[in-house]
Amino acid sequence: RKEVEQDPGPFNVPEGATVAFNCTYSNSASQSFFWYRQDCRKEPKLLMSVYSSGNEDGRFTAQLNRASQYISLLIRDSKLSDSATYLCVVNIMDTNAGKSTFGDGTTLTVKP
Amino acid sequence: ETGVTQTPRHLVMGMTNKKSLKCEQHLGHNAMYWYKQSAKKPLELMFVYSLEERVENNSVPSRFSPECPNSSHLFLHLHTLQPEDSALYLCASSQSARGREKLFFGSGTQLSVL
Repeated sequence: RKEVEQDPGPFNVPEGATVAFNCTYSNSASQSFFWYRQDCRKEPKLLMSVYSSGNEDGRFTAQLNRASQYISLLIRDSKLSDSATYLCVVNIMDTNAGKSTFGDGTTLTVKP
Repeated sequence: ETGVTQTPRHLVMGMTNKKSLKCEQHLGHNAMYWYKQSAKKPLELMFVYSLEERVENNSVPSRFSPECPNSSHLFLHLHTLQPEDSALYLCASSQSARGREKLFFGSGTQLSVL
């Protein structure tokens, strides 16, 4: 089983749609969680951290369920510019260095 | 800009060549990383440096040799690579290497080994 598993996608949605991505992680000792966005042939960029109480940044809402070891990202009112691959990242303390484990990514295409 | 600069952006090399990738961060971070991203695969962590000391080496072949002369600079020396090493190589930095930190990535080097 992969340490971090994401919806395989791809997701193809019309502009204005609401879309949700799911991510599960296997290590219950995981401590911090993030969503990154990666455009084609570019580097990943931090989209948002994910907090236990859930957090929102404009059209984006992230939620964490520690009991189910599950993270989600909701995008409302999708824009063409939201087209990208969304990476779920789970961090864990490991001896004297942390470890960031990336999911495979879920690709979103927003169409006019 | 993320504050992490990587050069070159593109590199084509033969299997007998020696080349180096360079990374510089201007964020005052204490940890730097090399990641590999092959086509249709997730990011793979290669090396972690914390305060210039290598703290993790994920079973990377010896044909990849990292160097961290100070907390702002990181190199990846390449020699006798194989075609399967063709990938996007990403440098990243974070405030510390202690596992809770956000990563800031450079723009990557797209490497092709012929």
